[in-house]
Amino acid sequence: ILNVEQSPQSLHVQEGDSTNFTCSFPSSNFYALHWYRWETAKSPEALFVMTLNGDEKKKGRISATLNTKEGYSYLYIKGSQPEDSATYLCAQNRDDKIIFGKGTRLHILP
Amino acid sequence: DTAVSQTPKYLVTQMGNDKSIKCEQNLGHDTMYWYKQDSKKFLKIMFSYNNKELIINETVPNRFSPKSPDKAHLNLHINSLELGDSAVYFCASSQGPLGNNEQFFGPGTRLTVL
Repeated sequence: ILNVEQSPQSLHVQEGDSTNFTCSFPSSNFYALHWYRWETAKSPEALFVMTLNGDEKKKGRISATLNTKEGYSYLYIKGSQPEDSATYLCAQNRDDKIIFGKGTRLHILP
Repeated sequence: DTAVSQTPKYLVTQMGNDKSIKCEQNLGHDTMYWYKQDSKKFLKIMFSYNNKELIINETVPNRFSPKSPDKAHLNLHINSLELGDSAVYFCASSQGPLGNNEQFFGPGTRLTVL
């Protein structure tokens, strides 16, 4: 993997269900991985910064894990709520650069 | 109080003009950034300053010149605007250079070049 890739591109989830999506990135020269939540017509909001292999971080119903050796991070949302509808971006910091994925657009269905 | 502010929020201008976008942060952060969100909604870093010194300078045209008069401000000046410069530009700041520092984003400036 040469770039930061996120999957799926778009996701529809029933309110109350749990979900997760993936960020894949080059594992060489890893320094940090950032997750952001980006609501339409607003600016990105930082969720997590992860640096160590095996890191797990949690903020309310949202959590993330990091595997730097295989180059992926998962973002989990437990018990989805309408306010979780947003685009979730991951970005990798390496070689003094920050490279963003294209995001996973999450739609919560009532 | 707004942590990271940008002015103006909207900017409509003619091709060939020179314009500036201002960014200010009141978080006491040392590092500031400019990002461009292109037509495909993809976010790309343009510049980063740490303590008024340029630390990231991605491949952007020379027509784009950042200026940091102090740690709390990072302005973006664009000369000879072109149609392709139309985009949303986001300013951001963090306590230190990227790594394990969270970034705080401004509200964005939507630039439209006619």
